[in-house]
Amino acid sequence: KNQVEQSPQSLIILEGKNCTLQCNYTVSPFSNLRWYKQDTGRGPVSLTIMTFSENTKSNGRYTATLDADTKQSSLHITASQLSDSASYICVVSPSFTSGTYKYIFGTGTRLKVLA
Amino acid sequence: DAGITQSPRHKVTETGTPVTLRCHQTENHRYMYWYRQDPGHGLRLIHYSYGVKDTDKGEVSDGYSVSRSKTEDFLLTLESATSSQTSVYFCAISEYGNEQFFGPGTRLTVL
Repeated sequence: KNQVEQSPQSLIILEGKNCTLQCNYTVSPFSNLRWYKQDTGRGPVSLTIMTFSENTKSNGRYTATLDADTKQSSLHITASQLSDSASYICVVSPSFTSGTYKYIFGTGTRLKVLA
Repeated sequence: DAGITQSPRHKVTETGTPVTLRCHQTENHRYMYWYRQDPGHGLRLIHYSYGVKDTDKGEVSDGYSVSRSKTEDFLLTLESATSSQTSVYFCAISEYGNEQFFGPGTRLTVL
């Protein structure tokens, strides 16, 4: 069964600190893996996308890594800001050859940054 | 929000009444999705559409129906609302494999 699991469920850090969020998946084969940020009361917004052949992708203070062999991805946030407080969702798109158009969502990590 | 709107944004209704949520896009994307989001469950797919009049079920489709008569509109109907359908509903659009763009969400409360 295609699954995406994220850890930790929630995380509290102080402003200016770094943190790393984890995503493990069983989706195979897959087309790409995305990290989304969801602010409270809003829809998710894409942060990064990686195909199976990419190892790392950065977007400002956000850096995502992918290890296709172990089926793990991580999202590293550098020098956290109060505005980083949000839920972060890992989403995997199965390959076109799987015959599905459904994205597989993790349950998310809720990050709170304290001043 | 990239050319995608949802209406209504908030709705309170009573058990047993029909409810229709509308998703409208101006991006001409082929794929449209309805999700519900509940604490502890993340986003769960209700139904999706891969073209006009082409729809398929997601993992939590019981009690919901959808229709897509034109590219830009995707309707989600709760035939007879129940309290378990109290949730936040998100519509999303995409070209498959590409980024999904999400609407602002509809908060539905069934009393």
